[in-house]
Order: sequence, then structure tokens, then C-alpha cells
Amino acid sequence: QVQLVESGGGVVQPGGSLRLSCAASGFTFNSYGMFWVRQAPGKGLEWVTFIRFDGSDEYYADSVKGRFTISRDNSKNTLYLQMNSLRTEDTAVYYCAKCLITVFGVVIYGMDVWGQGTTVTVSS
Amino acid sequence: EIVMTQSPATLSVSPGERATLSCRASQSVSSNLAWYQQKPGQAPRLLIYGASTRATGFPARFSGSGSGTEFTLTISGLQSEDFAVYYCQQYNNWPLEFGQGTKVEIK
Repeated sequence: QVQLVESGGGVVQPGGSLRLSCAASGFTFNSYGMFWVRQAPGKGLEWVTFIRFDGSDEYYADSVKGRFTISRDNSKNTLYLQMNSLRTEDTAVYYCAKCLITVFGVVIYGMDVWGQGTTVTVSS
Repeated sequence: EIVMTQSPATLSVSPGERATLSCRASQSVSSNLAWYQQKPGQAPRLLIYGASTRATGFPARFSGSGSGTEFTLTISGLQSEDFAVYYCQQYNNWPLEFGQGTKVEIK
């Protein structure tokens, strides 16, 4: 079945770095754009970044621009999020999610499959 | 940046009743709006896209409507499994934006 499994979360000091991974299975990974979305403790959802199916384009939320980098390795069916210069406000559960493509082939920039999330805590 | 505003923040509803959730965009997003359901300790699930198209796995008691700046999610005949937090999300423009969520709780 379609599955996304995140890993790489942990505790890091402010100013530190962390790389998250998202292993995809059950679908043709190299045909779909992918997202990272985060959720701070007790808060709502925040879109973080998106990468096109072939890695040709990326978009970032202003809150992470210049600090976070999304990438993908289609040969390994894996999505990444490199997080540098981490701040306490980056503390959250990070979800990877797959972009929806309708049966008519229309790309919808909504998230139709989500991983279980990985927790990032930025604290001294 | 498009600001998405959901109301109310919390909605108390009795099982079997109808719940009506609102989502407003600060500028037009056409019909490029999605709704998600999130239960405690779980990842969100896509519920509605294109403002009114139900995603796989959700029953017909869930319906979405609206276009432009005003959107509504209606849950008819609430079941116990429907009590959750619901988020709207616009995908008409970058950056993508979520609303702050509406918690549907048991009255």
C-alpha cells in the first residue's frame, strides 16, 4: 500500500542542524511532487516546503527560507529535509506528504498521503 | 500571502446533528481549496479538494461548498468518529496556507 515513513527527528540545540528523511513506497515516487508540513505542539498545521516530481523546482515558507532545503533521490524513493540554523520555534512534528494527482491527471497542491511524522525538538 | 481564517475555533455538536464549518480567504483562491481531518495523535487526512470533491474513504455526509473567498464544510448527521479538528488549506498561490483549524467536539 501507499506509505510514507519519516525518520531523522531528535533533539538539537539552537543553531544546530538536522536532516529528515521520508521513505516512500507503494506508488511511483518519481511522478509526484512532495511536501513537508509541520505542526508545533498543540498548534495547527504549517506548510514548510514543496519539491516537484523531478526536483526541478522548490517552494519554501518564509519562516524557513534560507535555512531549510528540500531535496529528493528518485532512485532511492526518498525525500529529504535539511534543516540548518534551527530555532526553538522550529520545534514540531514534521510530516512528509504526497501531492495529489486526480484520475484526470490534474495536479492538486493538496496532500493526499501523509507519513506518521517525526518529532524535532530544538532546545538548549 | 493569503490568510485563511476558520470559524468557529470550537464547535460543540451532538451526535446525529449537523456541523457547519467556515473558512474564509483574504483574497480569492477560486476553487483551489482543500479540507483535512485530524484526530488526536494522528496525521491529517485529506477530506475535500477542489472545494467540493470528496477524497477517497470519506462518506457522503461530508460535503464542501464555496468558491472565491468563502467556503463551507458541512457534516450531516455527525458520527462519533467525526469528532476531530478540521483544517482548510488554499493551494491557489504560493505560499500554501492552512487555516488555524476548527475543533468539532461532542456536546
